[in-house]
Amino acid sequence: KQEVTQIPAALSVPEGENLVLNCSFTDSAIYNLQWFRQDPGKGLTSLLLIQSSQREQTSGRLNASLDKSSGRSTLYIAASQPGDSATYLCAVNLKGTGNQFYFGTGTSLTVIP
Amino acid sequence: EAGVAQSPRYKIIEKRQSVAFWCNPISGHATLYWYQQILGQGPKLLIQFQNNGVVDDSQLPKDRFSAERLKGVDSTLKIQPAKLEDSAVYLCASSLGDVRGAEAFFGQGTRLTVV
Repeated sequence: KQEVTQIPAALSVPEGENLVLNCSFTDSAIYNLQWFRQDPGKGLTSLLLIQSSQREQTSGRLNASLDKSSGRSTLYIAASQPGDSATYLCAVNLKGTGNQFYFGTGTSLTVIP
Repeated sequence: EAGVAQSPRYKIIEKRQSVAFWCNPISGHATLYWYQQILGQGPKLLIQFQNNGVVDDSQLPKDRFSAERLKGVDSTLKIQPAKLEDSAVYLCASSLGDVRGAEAFFGQGTRLTVV
């Protein structure tokens, strides 16, 4: 069974800092990994999708890396802003499950103005 | 392109009552998922459909939860009777079913409070 862990559970940083969120998974037989953002009481917004054959993906101030062999992914946020405050979730798409996604418990980020 | 639509956005019911949630996936997406997200936790898969067939419902509490996807498009998730521990956000998602490694797209969710 796929276990997905996210560290830290919560993070508070001053505006302008660069930060790294971590995601680890136990089964490396994945199709891809997605990073999502979730605002309080809202649904999930997809931020970045990394296919298993890729090492990283970038979108604006966000950069996600994937090391499938070690079961790790990181989400790097540059020059953080108060609007980045949200919960960030990673999900892995496990092979052999017909595109089934396994989620971590998320990292709650607060960016202090 | 329209996203995944869910309704209602919020629902408050008393325990032992019944409730139903509706989801309309992105057009052309064969795979539809229902997830339950309890406060402070990551989403947990309840049921996965491929067209109108069930791929996985191993974590669906079948004594009280049911789901259907008639005609392989819209889906409804029902809880009857509800318990206090069913309070959660219910998320619907869809993906291209015949593509390995397809991206998942989520709706805004339905926040259920059972009192």
